Amino acid sequence: GQQVMQIPQYQHVQEGEDFTTYCNSSTTLSNIQWYKQRPGGHPVFLIQLVKSGEVKKQKRLTFQFGEAKKNSSLHITATQTTDVGTYFCAGVLYNQGGKLIFGQGTELSVKP
Amino acid sequence: DGGITQSPKYLFRKEGQNVTLSCEQNLNHDAMYWYRQDPGQGLRLIYYSQIVNDFQKGDIAEGYSVSREKKESFPLTVTSAQKNPTAFYLCASSAREGKEAFFGQGTRLTVV
Repeated sequence: GQQVMQIPQYQHVQEGEDFTTYCNSSTTLSNIQWYKQRPGGHPVFLIQLVKSGEVKKQKRLTFQFGEAKKNSSLHITATQTTDVGTYFCAGVLYNQGGKLIFGQGTELSVKP
Repeated sequence: DGGITQSPKYLFRKEGQNVTLSCEQNLNHDAMYWYRQDPGQGLRLIYYSQIVNDFQKGDIAEGYSVSREKKESFPLTVTSAQKNPTAFYLCASSAREGKEAFFGQGTRLTVV
């Protein structure tokens, strides 16, 4: 069954507000990836985190990987309407032959 | 252009019929994946393959079958045993296990 949990399922924000989505795994991950899916589209890769405690930034997006490599977060500062979409985390599980397991996703809507 | 191609984009079938969804990639990727996407449930892994002539079941493999006879191709058959086949199906590939995944445009299957 699903081993990567993501919250919240939905988030509605006013443009300019911050947004955070959280991802938790029941098992240690080899690495974690983040994807964005625009409405009507397919998931597009954003970033991969590999090291324990790793933090990476892409403009207004900040990605973190927990010390135990079981949780991760994506934070968007000052959201814009172009940020609309569903954000997925995806974990690569240790010792399971490259299995890439996705969280349920967080759907972000931004009110102008 | 390099990429991953799914066809068709929309597919309609009568209940009780098997249907095969096509997935082709020219990225020379070793790993390929099939996911099913339903509203509110994210992407659930059906099957994945790390190498030609080998594949593993994902979390929801019942009622589905795959083959990996060529590196470029990973077709998915939705059989009549799948109880609720209407969904959006996404195929993905990655250079090797654990690397970023590239997704096709998806096939929306409707069974009536």
